[in-house]
Amino acid sequence: DPKIIQKPKYLVAVTGSEKILICEQYLGHNAMYWYRQSAKKPLEFMFSYSYQKLMDNQTASSRFQPQSSKKNHLDLQITALKPDDSATYFCASSQDRGGPDTQYFGPGTRLLVL
Amino acid sequence: AQSVTQPDARVTVSEGASLQLRCKYSYSGTPYLFWYVQYPRQGLQLLLKYYSGDPVVQGVNGFEAEFIKSNSSFHLRKASVHWSDSAVYFCAVRPVNTGNYKYVFGAGTRLKVIA
Repeated sequence: DPKIIQKPKYLVAVTGSEKILICEQYLGHNAMYWYRQSAKKPLEFMFSYSYQKLMDNQTASSRFQPQSSKKNHLDLQITALKPDDSATYFCASSQDRGGPDTQYFGPGTRLLVL
Repeated sequence: AQSVTQPDARVTVSEGASLQLRCKYSYSGTPYLFWYVQYPRQGLQLLLKYYSGDPVVQGVNGFEAEFIKSNSSFHLRKASVHWSDSAVYFCAVRPVNTGNYKYVFGAGTRLKVIA
């Protein structure tokens, strides 16, 4: 059974619209993360959460807003979508934020903005 | 700020041959070091990690890596590759005890194993 679920798998959106990417982890982890991977850039760290609290934000744009309704959920809301937002977005989790804890990655949501 | 360089974007090796994928990092201290693998249409999976002790760490599927502090390197090795090793490999670093928990990934090396 998948331990980190990301929904949807694929997403097509129009410029200017808003989408929410869903992430749920069933590993009992306390820390969750979002990454972005595009053809132009390597895997890029976006956010980290620990016990549902935002700890790190490396995203310059306020159009990207993480939302944690439960400890094992970390959704990503993206508003005013642009074609440059097209990428695969990966959710990850680890036992805790500190230490050399292994990060486990979900399968990703592939977003295409037209 | 830390950074990771994987100088080889693509590597092609024959099945059964040995493999080395290079990784160099830039960081003033000793970071935590990781190698991840990404198969097509999948998320990243951890191969191995280093955080202290023996500089040669063993990972899954016969992979190992050696931390050489003097060279700021953490190259990945495998004695004999299999066609199923074809994937993209990422090296990553994370600072230790700085309050900065951000992982930094290299650009990745795409490995193709041919018959």
